[in-house]
Amino acid sequence: DIQMTQSPASLSASLGETISIECRASEDIYSNLAWYQQKSGKSPQLLIYAANRLQDGVPSRFSGSGSGTQYSLKISGMQPEDEGDYFCLQGSKFLMYTFGAGTKLELK
Amino acid sequence: EVQLQQSGPEVGRPGSSVKISCKASGYTFTDYVMNWVKQSPGQGLEWIGWIDPEYGSTDYAEKFKKKATLTADTSSSTAYIQLSSLTSEDTATYFCARELPGSAAFAYWGQGTLVTVSS
Repeated sequence: DIQMTQSPASLSASLGETISIECRASEDIYSNLAWYQQKSGKSPQLLIYAANRLQDGVPSRFSGSGSGTQYSLKISGMQPEDEGDYFCLQGSKFLMYTFGAGTKLELK
Repeated sequence: EVQLQQSGPEVGRPGSSVKISCKASGYTFTDYVMNWVKQSPGQGLEWIGWIDPEYGSTDYAEKFKKKATLTADTSSSTAYIQLSSLTSEDTATYFCARELPGSAAFAYWGQGTLVTVSS
């Protein structure tokens, strides 16, 4: 099974700050990576798919990059509404999926 | 508009089973597999498995092969997950989720169903 290592586990950012969250796969996942934001008590919301494609309706301050085994989510200019938990999801092999452990993002 | 409407919270006794439903609307139910995801209290997300409603074929993460059973009723566009031999470790919120067309990403999610295992 493909393992996903997500870092950092938690992050505190100031208003307007640019932050990055990383996910590393145990093997090449060929850009089959998505990023999610989850607010407390809510379902996860898709932000980025196919490593770098912005989901409809998601603010352009969110961006994704990476290839092979290394991927990152960047928020360019932290906003109060960006507080929440962030997860990566890989789905590269035979419809078998793995989530990263998550990153808790707070406004400083 | 794609919508996934899940059934309400469940309480199950240790050793018993519970069955959660996920009713799909806004698309052709048999065109997409339905995935299920577990989130334990205060924890991250775990993929449980998927079902192809058209053929009834399924696949599960190794951890859930003896715990979860996925089924689907095409006449009502509803997917189900049954959790058996409940223990306290099964206390969690369970989500159904559908992929974005052409991608390995879950774009559509149910609202989640809380399962509490308690005697």
